[in-house]
Amino acid sequence: NAGVTQTPKFRVLKTGQSMTLLCAQDMNHEYMYWYRQDPGMGLRLIHYSVGEGTTAKGEVPDGYNVSRLKKQNFLLGLESAAPSQTSVYFCASMIRDRTREQYFGPGTRLTVT
Amino acid sequence: AQTVTQSQPEMSVQEAETVTLSCTYDTSESDYYLFWYKQPPSRQMILVIRQEAYKQQNATENRFSVNFQKAAKSFSLKISDSQLGDAAMYFCAYRSIANRDDKIIFGKGTRLHILP
Repeated sequence: NAGVTQTPKFRVLKTGQSMTLLCAQDMNHEYMYWYRQDPGMGLRLIHYSVGEGTTAKGEVPDGYNVSRLKKQNFLLGLESAAPSQTSVYFCASMIRDRTREQYFGPGTRLTVT
Repeated sequence: AQTVTQSQPEMSVQEAETVTLSCTYDTSESDYYLFWYKQPPSRQMILVIRQEAYKQQNATENRFSVNFQKAAKSFSLKISDSQLGDAAMYFCAYRSIANRDDKIIFGKGTRLHILP
């Protein structure tokens, strides 16, 4: 099992460019999440999904879109990148069992210049 | 809305000593989960310990234990016999059980330094 993987690991974008971050999990988890981590801010939820074909907004959704066309994949899109979106992005997945444990990917460091 | 507060942005402890990281939370719910996550320089988020609110007994995992005070809404992490590999950012987190969305709320973190 690879667990949760994220592609790419690093990326530099110019302001206004677009990109998609891919999260994939091979654990058959229903729930998937996208977070951003900024210094002194902890992890903040961007968007999440409770199942294939469903998505919902989190705490800081502006400037991002997501799609969950397949159960194992959760895509995060930036249509027009801004310097304020410079951050480390984490994906996580979870099965809604007694443990409620989230499994995290290794993160993607994105810099927008 | 639930909130999680970690009042210590940074802490230091001598190797082999014991350190306690503080966490308080605010909720009106009676049943929930609490977690401590460790994030070493590799950036990987690692679950350290989990506490279910309905359990009165404090969770323990080897050198890591918690002091869960439900009435005070406090959830501190104690690390015994600190090791150099414990140096990391530690996040306290809250998860509601009633909420179907199962969102987890993180504190802002405490950076722990281990002094040799």
